[in-house]
Amino acid sequence: EPEVTQTPSHQVTQMGQEVILRCVPISNHLYFYWYRQILGQKVEFLVSFYNNEISEKSEIFDDQFSVERPDGSNFTLKIRSTKLEDSAMYFCASAAASRDTQYFGPGTRLTVL
Amino acid sequence: GESVGLHLPTLSVQEGDNSIINCAYSNSASDYFIWYKQESGKGPQFIIDIRSNMDKRQGQRVTVLLNKTVKHLSLQIAATQPGDSAVYFCAEKVSGGSQGNLIFGKGTKLSVKP
Repeated sequence: EPEVTQTPSHQVTQMGQEVILRCVPISNHLYFYWYRQILGQKVEFLVSFYNNEISEKSEIFDDQFSVERPDGSNFTLKIRSTKLEDSAMYFCASAAASRDTQYFGPGTRLTVL
Repeated sequence: GESVGLHLPTLSVQEGDNSIINCAYSNSASDYFIWYKQESGKGPQFIIDIRSNMDKRQGQRVTVLLNKTVKHLSLQIAATQPGDSAVYFCAEKVSGGSQGNLIFGKGTKLSVKP
């Protein structure tokens, strides 16, 4: 069964450093998403991406964040200058259509020291 | 706003019993609802969904009920098994051309006693 994959599973970084979280969505999907979950809290929407551009973003997704689909398979989330409060699980999701079910990857745990 | 370190409601059931997990959603304009299961250290896993033109949908051992009048969603799990132990989230999607974002509820922790 096709699934969304994410790497790395755990990323530890120093405050102020740049990180890139990587995702490989399900191959025939066209809509891509990033969510985050701070420990013990709800899953929160960050950004949606379709047709090589951002469709929608939340207030969390400020200028420090960017997304890219550098090739036909990867979808990345970059945080330019990490802050302590960026520590969270980051989940990638993909869907075949905008109104279809979103399937989530296993997440990347980001720890900012 | 919400407090940091949210304490999840917990439902504890005996193996073999039926479980009912409830969710109050926030937006009357939402027209699509999903239940996700999240095991420790993993991403949300799709269980079942329902659109607003329905009030009940059944899957394998799971049933979702939607009451739009009171903005309430429930997930029923029949013959609950230890493998069902997880945190269950409801999520809603608002109609009107949005590309997507899901709005997640707070989650309920289901604990199944063997």
